[in-house]
Amino acid sequence: GAVVSQHPSRVICKSGTSVKIECRSLDFQATTMFWYRQFPKQSLMLMATSNEGSKATYEQGVEKDKFLINHASLTLSTLTVTSAHPEDSSFYICSASPGKWNTEAFFGQGTRLTVV
Amino acid sequence: KNQVEQSPQSLIILEGKNCTLQCNYTVSPFSNLRWYKQDTGRGPVSLTIMTFSENTKSNGRYTATLDADTKQSSLHITASQLSDSASYICVVRPMDSSYKLIFGSGTRLLVRP
Repeated sequence: GAVVSQHPSRVICKSGTSVKIECRSLDFQATTMFWYRQFPKQSLMLMATSNEGSKATYEQGVEKDKFLINHASLTLSTLTVTSAHPEDSSFYICSASPGKWNTEAFFGQGTRLTVV
Repeated sequence: KNQVEQSPQSLIILEGKNCTLQCNYTVSPFSNLRWYKQDTGRGPVSLTIMTFSENTKSNGRYTATLDADTKQSSLHITASQLSDSASYICVVRPMDSSYKLIFGSGTRLLVRP
C-alpha cells in the first residue's frame, strides 16, 4: 500500500518552545491531509484538514494559532505546535489519501510529543 | 448523529484461538467501512476496506464482514498470534463531500501465550 512518513517519531521539548512535525506522502500526491490527536486508550480525534495551497480547516475547539498547519506541496504537510505546554503532550498522527475522495486513508507512524 | 460503536472495549484471548470484534454504525449513507490495526505507539494500518455493496473481505487471517441492512460489521481473527495484540479500529467514510472519517473507539485485544 501507499506510504505516509511522519517525522519525528518522538520529541521532547521545553514549555514555551515550538515543535514542527512533518507528514510526507512518499509515493503519491495528496491534495488533502489530515491531522489527528490521540489520547491514551482513546481513538483518533480529528484536529484539522490540511489543504494544499490553501488554508487548513480546523475542527471546533482546535486553536489555529496554536497548531499551525502548512501544506506547501502535494507531498508534504507540517504541523507546528507553538508555545507548547505540558497539556499539549500527546500522540499526533497524520493521514493522507491518493486521489481526491479520501477513499483509502494511509496513516503516518505517529509522533509522541512530550512537553516538559 | 453519525456514530461508530465497537465492542467489546477490550478482549483477552489465548494464542491460537479465534475471536470476533463487532462494529455498529449509524452513518448513512456511507462510502466505505474500514478496519485498522493500531499497535501501541504506532499509526493505524489498514486491514480491510469494504464498500457498501460488499459483504466480506479477507486479508490473511483477518476476515471482515458487513451487513448494510443491520449496519453491522465484524472482524474475525483466526488462529491468533501474539503479534495480533493491538487496538482494532472500525472506521466509516460517510458519503459526503467532507472527506472526514468517523472513528470507533476501538477494541484492545491482548493475545496471551
